[in-house]
This record gives sequence, structure tokens and C-alpha cells, in this order.
Amino acid sequence: ETGVTQTPRHLVMGMTNKKSLKCEQHLGHNAMYWYKQSAKKPLELMFVYNFKEQTENNSVPSRFSPECPNSSHLFLHLHTLQPEDSALYLCASSPAPWDTEAFFGQGTRLTVV
Amino acid sequence: ELKVEQNPLFLSMQEGKNYTIYCNYSTTSDRLYWYRQDPGKSLESLFVLLSNGAVKQEGRLMASLDTKARLSTLHITAAVHDLSATYFCAVGALIQGAQKLVFGQGTRLTINP
Repeated sequence: ETGVTQTPRHLVMGMTNKKSLKCEQHLGHNAMYWYKQSAKKPLELMFVYNFKEQTENNSVPSRFSPECPNSSHLFLHLHTLQPEDSALYLCASSPAPWDTEAFFGQGTRLTVV
Repeated sequence: ELKVEQNPLFLSMQEGKNYTIYCNYSTTSDRLYWYRQDPGKSLESLFVLLSNGAVKQEGRLMASLDTKARLSTLHITAAVHDLSATYFCAVGALIQGAQKLVFGQGTRLTINP
């Protein structure tokens, strides 16, 4: 248990659905991250938030929309996804961006049908 | 473009043996991370290396960083079965004013009794 909790753990959605992934940490960390892990590609950083402000968006399609209402919560809103978006989505947090170790959640296994 | 290459990608070894996983990267970086991932689980932070010549050890694992050679190594001493997992390195760099973090493909390590 790393202190980073993601819900749901598994999600199946149609291409026309709208769903949200949730990440929560009560470690007092200021930075939060979304990553995508696909079966045949290296782990990809998607978004970075520091003190609730988005500091990085690594050319992620607009069908993925992050939201960080406070330093403890991070959401990833999903709409009109494609089957190739099926992957494990990992949330992580760290005390500060980059210079410290990150703690990862268990991930949400997303399947787009 | 920041590229990160790990080798080997697959490694099967016997308990009690020593081995090294290599992580090469393509551009100047000021930080490197090693993570472990068990099947179906999330990533666990192992080491954060922030300076040239940095060496960190935890149990049977030791990581080092040579920023001049753009190389990090993860050395396993007297391997035990519990170390079977996939190991990832990740390299961070400031590129064109933006922080980038790129993961290697991962090394799947299997330790046989």
C-alpha cells in the first residue's frame, strides 16, 4: 500500500461513453501525475500537476481531460475514447516534482469496446 | 528527443548469481529513476539518482549513474527468487523549456531456484 488510491480498479466503457478515473493521496504530496501503460509500449507520462496547477501535458489527445481540484485529488475524465486507448492508467504523487521519488497507485485497467 | 534503452529486455538467471541491467539514454539528464513492477501490480520506486557518480544500495540491489556516459546500471547481487519482477529505468530532462520523463522498455527478470 503506497498511500495512493485509484478508483475504479477496472473499467469497461464504450466509445461513446463518458467516464472518470479518480486518484487520491493523503501523503501531503504536492505533485501528482497521470501515466499510461500499454501492453506494447513503454510507460508514458501524460500529465503533471504541481500545487493543483498543470505543468506538463505531453501531447495527450483532448479526449483525455485531467482535473486537479486540490493537491490530494486528481481526476482523468474520459470521453469518446478509441479501442487503442485501452491500457493501465497509473496515478502517482511525489512531495515535489521530479527530484523526489514518486509513489504509484494500483492503476485502473481500462478497456474500450 | 530523449530516448531511453534498457538491456537486456528479458533476463533469466539462477539464484545466487550476480547480474547487471543497463539503462542508456540519449541526451543530457539530471535525474534518473529505477522502479520495480510485479505482475498485475503498480510500480514501486527503488532509487532516485540525481548526480554524476551517485550510487545507492538497498539490499541486493545497487544502482549507479554516470551522466557523462549517459548510463545507469542496476546491479543484482546473489539473486533470490523474490527479486523476480520487471525493472524500469526512467530518465528526466529539461528539453526546450519543458520537463520530460521517458521510461525504458523494462527488463523482465526471472530468477529460478
